[in-house]
Amino acid sequence: AQKVTQAQTEISVVEKEDVTLDCVYETRDTTYYLFWYKQPPSGELVFLIRRNSFDEQNEISGRYSWNFQKSTSSFNFTITASQVVDSAVYFCALTGYSGYALNFGKGTSLLVTP
Amino acid sequence: DAGVTQSPTHLIKTRGQHVTLRCSPISGHKSVSWYQQVLGQGPQFIFQYYEKEERGRGNFPDRFSARQFPNYSSELNVNALLLGDSALYLCASSLFGDTEAFFGQGTRLTVV
Repeated sequence: AQKVTQAQTEISVVEKEDVTLDCVYETRDTTYYLFWYKQPPSGELVFLIRRNSFDEQNEISGRYSWNFQKSTSSFNFTITASQVVDSAVYFCALTGYSGYALNFGKGTSLLVTP
Repeated sequence: DAGVTQSPTHLIKTRGQHVTLRCSPISGHKSVSWYQQVLGQGPQFIFQYYEKEERGRGNFPDRFSARQFPNYSSELNVNALLLGDSALYLCASSLFGDTEAFFGQGTRLTVV
């Protein structure tokens, strides 16, 4: 069975602070994919990143960065110099080799205040 | 290019009724998946269709059914609605079903 745990339910930061969202996963698959999605109040899930289990390189995209560590089964997401527009619910998700069913965590609600 | 479009955006139904939700994938995408998101939770996988065939099904009762049409659009049907079916229903499209999934804005279903 696959499971994703996002232990942080809500995080509140002041604009320009850095913030890290934690994601811990469980899977028996040797090949799997990890995702992060952003869900603003409008409801649409916005794709941020997909990472396969064989690629542990950290990735940076603008103010966003991701740290994948298989040794601790974690795939953490950091927003540098947060902005009010970053306020949203962020979901970490996992899928197996077949890739067809995303297993989502419960999400972390991020509030960035001016 | 248009993204994933879902209709309607909002819907109110009475217990016991039937509902049909519709989804049009991104042009060129052959796979459509459906998810249910209850308030305060992450989305739960319901179905995936690829090339008009069901490829996977989540842990949902037989009241939930879906199909995919030759133009790759999809319908999700829910019979005998329960109050617990109230949720945001999200459709996602992907090129082959095992690549990045792009989501629509969802249909918010309220069962009263």
